[in-house]
Amino acid sequence: DIVMTQSPDSLAVSLGERATINCKSSQSVLYTSNNKNYLAWYQQKPGQPPKLLVYWASTRESGVPDRFSGSGSGTDFTLTISSLQAEDVAVYYCQQYYTTPRTFGQGTKVEIK
Amino acid sequence: ELQLVETGGGLIQPGGSLRLSCAASGLIVSSNYMSWVRQAPGKGLEWVSVIYSGGTTYYADSVKGRFTISRDTSKNTLYLQMNSLRAEDTAVYYCARALSEYTDTWYWFDPWGQGTLVTVSS
Repeated sequence: DIVMTQSPDSLAVSLGERATINCKSSQSVLYTSNNKNYLAWYQQKPGQPPKLLVYWASTRESGVPDRFSGSGSGTDFTLTISSLQAEDVAVYYCQQYYTTPRTFGQGTKVEIK
Repeated sequence: ELQLVETGGGLIQPGGSLRLSCAASGLIVSSNYMSWVRQAPGKGLEWVSVIYSGGTTYYADSVKGRFTISRDTSKNTLYLQMNSLRAEDTAVYYCARALSEYTDTWYWFDPWGQGTLVTVSS
């Protein structure tokens, strides 16, 4: 199984400041035949189901604010919130879809400083 | 609007059985790859099972042999039959569509239902 490890486990950022979440996979999730990284990011607010933010590591889902951006390739990925808003307080998860079982990172909790 | 609504959760004793349902609107369950993902209280997300549009099924090792995913085309509903339940199966169970582009490939999960809580305890 591919193990997904996120860092940090939690972070507190001031409103308007940048938040950076890292995700590392135990093996590459880059499919060389199509040069795509099989990685997604989700946001989960308290009491709600996860919401898809980014897929193919860097493609923003329709309707997701452009302050959210995904980057990285191979085994190392980053979700960046360029200017943190109050409504961005949530837990963020990465997920690989390169192999079965699909696996998630342990989550990163983002709070306001 | 795509909507998934899970029902069937509750308190069950260890060793018992429970069937979860996920009623879909705005999408056809049998034409999509559908999945169950669970989340233990205060914990992260764990993929449980998937059923392909063609009927092929896969399970996480933690539930293999105990859980069965299925669907009812006439009711446009996804199911998860859970047998021999253990305390470690306690979780919110979400159904979600698994995006698929080609046969036998499936990617991220979207949308998700609101989830149903299963508590396994004596």
